[in-house]
Amino acid sequence: GAVVSQHPSRVICKSGTSVKIECRSLDFQATTMFWYRQFPKQSLMLMATSNEGSKATYEQGVEKDKFLINHASLTLSTLTVTSAHPEDSSFYICSAIPSSGGKYYEQYFGPGTRLTVT
Amino acid sequence: GENVEQHPSTLSVQEGDSAVIKCTYSDSASNYFPWYKQELGKGPQLIIDIRSNVGEKKDQRIAVTLNKTAKHFSLHITETQPEDSAVYFCAASINTPLVFGKGTRLSVIA
Repeated sequence: GAVVSQHPSRVICKSGTSVKIECRSLDFQATTMFWYRQFPKQSLMLMATSNEGSKATYEQGVEKDKFLINHASLTLSTLTVTSAHPEDSSFYICSAIPSSGGKYYEQYFGPGTRLTVT
Repeated sequence: GENVEQHPSTLSVQEGDSAVIKCTYSDSASNYFPWYKQELGKGPQLIIDIRSNVGEKKDQRIAVTLNKTAKHFSLHITETQPEDSAVYFCAASINTPLVFGKGTRLSVIA
């Protein structure tokens, strides 16, 4: 149980276009989801906290107009990278907390999405 | 805010030997300390965790110890196998989003 999926697993897009990444909790409901970014050989950097039915909370330095987050249901959060540039190329990972638990120590990670902007 | 330091950044061990990775944290109020294993091109997988009311936890070949006074916790892997090769991350939380260490790349040499 507690499976989180991401789609697509990898995407290549041209500079200036927008890309949407989906994060789904498959067998549980998640009021809270997180979006992380990971550069090669580096740690996970939290980008934003996504809450179902409300606006996302962005970490300092993350442009909310560039990284649009929508948590439309208890099982789906989306991250849209708008007007992507090569420097946005990275590994994006989501995680989710089961609504039933509600604690940050029950965080399950997705498999990640590799974004390459050419 | 919380700051987590992790050492070493790389670790090579012979198959069958033990591996130890150490982390320190700054916020004494942190109460949850998970360890994640990340294989190349994949998301992190939780391998073991410990809460602040426990000093040690073991799951087969993996154990975690916590010293609240010194604010450090460690991951111990015994009888290492080649499939243990991966990047390991520690994290700390005080009912807030996890703060991760920088990771340790473990190589188990057959």
